[in-house]
Amino acid sequence: KAGVTQTPRYLIKTRGQQVTLSCSPISGHRSVSWYQQTPGQGLQFLFEYFSETQRNKGNFPGRFSGRQFSNSRSEMNVSTLELGDSALYLCASSLETEKDTQYFGPGTRLTVL
Amino acid sequence: AQKITQTQPGMFVQEKEAVTLDCTYDTSDQSYGLFWYKQPSSGEMIFLIYQGSYDEQNATEGRYSLNFQKARKSANLVISASQLGDSAMYFCAMRGPNYGGSQGNLIFGKGTKLSVKP
Repeated sequence: KAGVTQTPRYLIKTRGQQVTLSCSPISGHRSVSWYQQTPGQGLQFLFEYFSETQRNKGNFPGRFSGRQFSNSRSEMNVSTLELGDSALYLCASSLETEKDTQYFGPGTRLTVL
Repeated sequence: AQKITQTQPGMFVQEKEAVTLDCTYDTSDQSYGLFWYKQPSSGEMIFLIYQGSYDEQNATEGRYSLNFQKARKSANLVISASQLGDSAMYFCAMRGPNYGGSQGNLIFGKGTKLSVKP
């Protein structure tokens, strides 16, 4: 079974631009979560989607948004990029229940200049 | 609030030896899950092992085992017979509270960088 895929793997943007990252979960997984990883803050939860609905959200500004499609694929968008948005963005997918493990993709490394 | 603490920023181990990575957690929940992930320099987070709070046996997965001491709130990862490919960052994580039907997000520690010496 194919793992979680994320595109693109690397992105370079300038301040003020916006960016869209994509995540395709493992086949059959309906929950998709996004995390931001930076050297200073570590791994932080952004949001979780299930059946096209956001059902959990971390403490990030409204510039960070996401959505999920009917095939469970998910996108996240960051508008008006800031230098501090430079990070590795990781997507994770899982089955539905509380006990289910989250499996991560390879991440998208975003650099904001 | 839930919290994960990993007190070892970096560790060295000789190839073929065993190594223990420390993890302590704080939660007021009675039901919770603990995870360990490995992150090589490529960036991908690789799931290693899971321990549920009500599991009576310590979890094991191949060369990985989890030393779960509930009263001390510790969930240390033991890697037996270290290999060069084990060099990576290791993260301990706990599932956060679930509400609104959410599965509960993962709360991560700061990680431990393990270096395996030949």
